[in-house]
Amino acid sequence: AQSVTQPDIHITVSEGASLELRCNYSYGATPYLFWYVQSPGQGLQLLLKYFSGDTLVQGIKGFEAEFKRSQSSFNLRKPSVHWSDAAEYFCAVANQAGTALIFGKGTTLSVSS
Amino acid sequence: SQTIHQWPATLVQPVGSPLSLECTVEGTSNPNLYWYRQAAGRGLQLLFYSIGIGQISSEVPQNLSASRPQDRQFILSSKKLLLSDSGFYLCAWSSFRTDHGYTFGSGTRLTVV
Repeated sequence: AQSVTQPDIHITVSEGASLELRCNYSYGATPYLFWYVQSPGQGLQLLLKYFSGDTLVQGIKGFEAEFKRSQSSFNLRKPSVHWSDAAEYFCAVANQAGTALIFGKGTTLSVSS
Repeated sequence: SQTIHQWPATLVQPVGSPLSLECTVEGTSNPNLYWYRQAAGRGLQLLFYSIGIGQISSEVPQNLSASRPQDRQFILSSKKLLLSDSGFYLCAWSSFRTDHGYTFGSGTRLTVV
């Protein structure tokens, strides 16, 4: 069965520093992968998605993610973090039937000044 | 453009009372519709999904139910709420396949007291 693991529950990064959030997936075929962001008390917003092709995917708000099949990873990165990036981040994979997304448990990002 | 509406935003209900949360989508037809529950530290749990009117798939057995009386309307219900039903409930829609990800509503914070 498909699954997603986000190893880091909480990460604190200084404003202006770089960021990498880890995501590992379990999936037998080529996965469809997603990153979402959630501000407190809000719904989730799609940051970026990967289907095929170029393994480096650009998203909104300056985020990017790199698909590495050999490592079963889809890590999210940002070169310079802003205080407004503080939020919860979820990695997800589409299930094999294409009927639903399976989410990781999320990583909470705090930004220190 | 497509929009998704979810209400109410917050709800406080006594144990044993009924529940009805509503979600509607505009600007698309025959969407896939989803209900997720988010509990602190537990990520997003898929509760129900629907690929068409009257077609409901349940992912987790519990005292909640879902209905889809119209193409773009998805309702989450309970006859008798439990304390454990407290959480943040999110509705989402996608096109026929989830390859392009979900669009989420803004969520309902349910507190059962």
